[in-house]
Amino acid sequence: GDSVTQMEGPVTLSEEAFLTINCTYTATGYPSLFWYVQYPGEGLQLLLKATKADDKGSNKGFEATYRKETTSFHLEKGSVQVSDSAVYFCALSETDSWGKLQFGAGTQVVVTP
Amino acid sequence: GAVVSQHPSWVICKSGTSVKIECRSLDFQATTMFWYRQFPKQSLMLMATSNEGSKATYEQGVEKDKFLINHASLTLSTLTVTSAHPEDSSFYICSARGTSVGGQFFGPGTRLTVL
Repeated sequence: GDSVTQMEGPVTLSEEAFLTINCTYTATGYPSLFWYVQYPGEGLQLLLKATKADDKGSNKGFEATYRKETTSFHLEKGSVQVSDSAVYFCALSETDSWGKLQFGAGTQVVVTP
Repeated sequence: GAVVSQHPSWVICKSGTSVKIECRSLDFQATTMFWYRQFPKQSLMLMATSNEGSKATYEQGVEKDKFLINHASLTLSTLTVTSAHPEDSSFYICSARGTSVGGQFFGPGTRLTVL
């Protein structure tokens, strides 16, 4: 079945550092890929998505590229802020963001001043 | 817009009792709601999908008689954990989608602790 694997956290880094969170997936078809973010005390929010190979999703300075050849969807941000401290979830859907989601375990990111 | 709430945010109950968790879409009509369960440091796992006015579809391995889901209106779905036991302690999260909004929107979750 489908699965998503992402790097374990917590990831601790200083403000303005470069952030990468690795995510790989296995799927039988051609899934859509997502990154969700959960800030403390809040629900998961869609951060970005990509629906086909080589698509790049971007939002709030974050980027991720759908790499079919490596079955990856790594999240990157060039310069993090304290406000980026949150838990980040990689997910896939065999349909789109309207359908069932398969999540990775989540990666906690802590950004210090 | 597209806000989903859950109530309660946390609940503690005794073993053998039943607990109801509500999921509401506050500013849109949710034709479909999903219920997820999250164990500490693990993925969110989909438990069931509920469409307004029809029976929920449960994922393999989820006991439908234990986790009762009702989606009686376009803004409310409930999850009732019947005869709860300590192993049911978990973080339960709902999400909702509707025809007027793009995407799937998540509630903040409910922490259930069964003593």
